[in-house]
Amino acid sequence: DIQMTQSPSSLSASVGDRVTITCQASQDITNYLNWYQQKPGKAPKLLIYDTSTLETGVPSRFSGSGSGTDFTFTISGLQPEDVATYYCQEYSTFGQGTKLEIK
Amino acid sequence: QVHLAQSGAEVKKPGASMKVSCKVSDYTLSEIALHWVRQAPGKGLEWMGGFDPEEGETIYSQKFQGRVTMTEDSSTDTAYMEISSLRSEDSAVYYCATVGTGYYFDDWGQGTLVTVSS
Repeated sequence: DIQMTQSPSSLSASVGDRVTITCQASQDITNYLNWYQQKPGKAPKLLIYDTSTLETGVPSRFSGSGSGTDFTFTISGLQPEDVATYYCQEYSTFGQGTKLEIK
Repeated sequence: QVHLAQSGAEVKKPGASMKVSCKVSDYTLSEIALHWVRQAPGKGLEWMGGFDPEEGETIYSQKFQGRVTMTEDSSTDTAYMEISSLRSEDSAVYYCATVGTGYYFDDWGQGTLVTVSS
């Protein structure tokens, strides 16, 4: 089974900051890497699929990059409403999650 | 966008079985592929299984093989996920979700809280 290692597990940043989360796969997954945002008490929301494609309606401050085993999720200009937990996913495997808070 | 409406919260005793439903609207079950993901309190997301369009059959996480059954009723466009021999570790929110072509989960139900307690 593929393992996904996501880091950091938590981070705190200021409004306007650039935030980066990484996800490493245990084997080559080409570009089949997706990112989700989950707010407390809510279902996860797909933000980015196939590494870098923004889901319809998702703000352009969210972006993704990478290939093979190493992937990056970036928020360019953190907003208060971005407080959430973020997960990477490759089909049957999710990363451990990154809890993002505002300083 | 597919609308998914799940059944309500349940409390079950250890050893019992539990069945969660997921009603599909705006599409039919034959047009989509549904999967199930769960989340224990304060924990991350865990994929359980679902219909794989490429395989043409329902696949299960090895962790749940033999204890979980996923079925569909095309007459009502409702999917079901049943777990038998419940234990306290099965206490979680259970989500149904549609799978996009790249095996990403693009539409989600609202979640069903299941509590297993004696």
